[in-house]
Amino acid sequence: DAGITQSPRHKVTETGTPVTLRCHQTENHRYMYWYRQDPGHGLRLIHYSYGVKDTDKGEVSDGYSVSRSKTEDFLLTLESATSSQTSVYFCAISESIGGGISYNEQFFGPGTRLTVL
Amino acid sequence: GENVEQHPSTLSVQEGDSAVIKCTYSDSASNYFPWYKQELGKRPQLIIDIRSNVGEKKDQRIAVTLNKTAKHFSLHITETQPEDSAVYFCAARGGSTLGRLYFGRGTQLTVWP
Repeated sequence: DAGITQSPRHKVTETGTPVTLRCHQTENHRYMYWYRQDPGHGLRLIHYSYGVKDTDKGEVSDGYSVSRSKTEDFLLTLESATSSQTSVYFCAISESIGGGISYNEQFFGPGTRLTVL
Repeated sequence: GENVEQHPSTLSVQEGDSAVIKCTYSDSASNYFPWYKQELGKRPQLIIDIRSNVGEKKDQRIAVTLNKTAKHFSLHITETQPEDSAVYFCAARGGSTLGRLYFGRGTQLTVWP
């Protein structure tokens, strides 16, 4: 597996509390993505980043914000968690600068299971 | 944006039989079509991909075909084995967004011994 870690791996929180999920990569990949996975919906893109401080919205971005202050870290924040944000969150990366991985392949992190009570 | 439809949502086959999963896409400019396999509790992993300038690609027991005119692509698994049981996702890279993939909703494949 590509060098991608996510933290925490599991989290239980209460409605209305802020939550930050972290994605860390050691591959120096330019692109990073946050997805959520829910039964019957597949993988839906929340936000993505195409460089440091460069981010854009995906198809389900409401209620989420992101930040990328350095190449290796991409943070996903739920400002005020709701029960509808209970999900499994996956980070993904693509493109290795100067490396052998093709531009289009996306490699996924291990996921974070978030439960909002 | 791109819209990817995947069928069927569930598929059961006997060990040794073939399995076919089909996807359609809407953006004629899409140029890259990967397939991911996700085992229970694990992360999705790329198993095969195809680019728009190729009609078919094969890797041992798995193959992918692409019909650009009809805007559909398919995953074929031959000689299925119980370890092929997983959820399979197709995806398409939209023509207007750098690197962004649009995923189908997934197919739960079960291979019975």
